[in-house]
Amino acid sequence: EAQVTQNPRYLITVTGKKLTVTCSQNMNHEYMSWYRQDPGLGLRQIYYSMNVEVTDKGDVPEGYKVSRKEKRNFPLILESPSPNQTSLYFCASRTGANGYTFGSGTRLTVV
Amino acid sequence: AQSVSQHNHHVILSEAASLELGCNYSYGGTVNLFWYVQYPGQHLQLLLKYFSGDPLVKGIKGFEAEFIKSKFSFNLRKPSVQWSDTAEYFCAVNAYSSASKIIFGSGTRLSIRP
Repeated sequence: EAQVTQNPRYLITVTGKKLTVTCSQNMNHEYMSWYRQDPGLGLRQIYYSMNVEVTDKGDVPEGYKVSRKEKRNFPLILESPSPNQTSLYFCASRTGANGYTFGSGTRLTVV
Repeated sequence: AQSVSQHNHHVILSEAASLELGCNYSYGGTVNLFWYVQYPGQHLQLLLKYFSGDPLVKGIKGFEAEFIKSKFSFNLRKPSVQWSDTAEYFCAVNAYSSASKIIFGSGTRLSIRP
């Protein structure tokens, strides 16, 4: 089944403790992206990648890092999480003339 | 810079009523347009998309949208809503020159009274 898989689904952590949210797609898509969803703000793009080793900042990149060493994986790294990064995160991938296919989301709480 | 506006934050309708959700974008060049739906507790699913050709696009679950280039609009419509359409709806735009950068609107919450 074609899908985007994110892990974990839920995560509670403390301020300053590094964490990684994994994202993997099995559709051989070139483009991948991370979004955060906050009430009243819709989805805001954090980082995106156009292919292996090619990444760029979205609209809200501060406090986040990404890497794209393999085509299928696009992890999101929070080196020192803060409470304002409490949010719902979605990974997505796409190819050519198609919209993004989204993962199931990761609900992150930073206390 | 691209932006997307969804003017209706919360729409409440009765079953069988007709629906129209507004979406306007700002970008002067060629765009691709999308509507996504997010059911409670779930991820976003693509309802329909416009890339080129017929400006009236039909999607899943009886939804359609019309691209009006002169108005920079891409409104979503459904002639008769059902209780199961209760969800949040997001309009999104992608500048043709930037395939990976898709900008989303802030969403419209649709509540259907049974």
